[in-house]
Amino acid sequence: EIVLTQSPEFQSVTPKEKVTITCRASQTIGSSLHWYQQKPDQSPKLLIKYASQSISGVPSRFSGSGSGTDFTLTINALEAEDAATYYCHQSSYLPHTFGQGTKLEIK
Amino acid sequence: QVQLVQSGAEVKKPGASVKVSCKASGYTFNGYYVHWVRQAPGQGLEWMGWINPNSGGTNYAQKFQGRVTMTRDTSISTAYMELTSLRSDDTAVYYCARFHSSSSTFDYWGQGTLVTVSS
Repeated sequence: EIVLTQSPEFQSVTPKEKVTITCRASQTIGSSLHWYQQKPDQSPKLLIKYASQSISGVPSRFSGSGSGTDFTLTINALEAEDAATYYCHQSSYLPHTFGQGTKLEIK
Repeated sequence: QVQLVQSGAEVKKPGASVKVSCKASGYTFNGYYVHWVRQAPGQGLEWMGWINPNSGGTNYAQKFQGRVTMTRDTSISTAYMELTSLRSDDTAVYYCARFHSSSSTFDYWGQGTLVTVSS
């Protein structure tokens, strides 16, 4: 099973700040890495597919990069509404797996 | 618009079974696999398995093999997930999600169903 390790697990940030979340896979997964945002008491929402491809309707301040084993989600000019937990997900191998999540708190 | 609407919250005793439904609308049900993902209170996301609505074929995470059964009723565009021999650590929100094969992502999710296992 592919283990995805996210860092940090928690981050307290101020609006307009730039945030970087990393996701490391236990073995190479190409670009089959996707990012989701989950707000409290809501279902996850797809943010980025295939490491860096944007999703229609998602604000352009969200971007992704990486391939192989190391991936990054970047949020530029953070807004208060971005307070959420962010998960990476790999679809390269079964079973599908998720990172443990990164909780963003807005100061 | 695409929607996945799940059945309501359940409270079960240890050893019992639960069956959660997921009704799809706004797209061709047979055209997309349905996956099930659960989330224990305050915890992360855990993949449980998928069902191919077209063939009824399934694939389950090893952890749930023998306890989970995923089925579907194409006449009403509904997928089901049944979990047996419930334990307290099965207490979680259970989500169904549509899998978009061309992007390999879960592009639409149900609202979640809270299953509480308590004596």
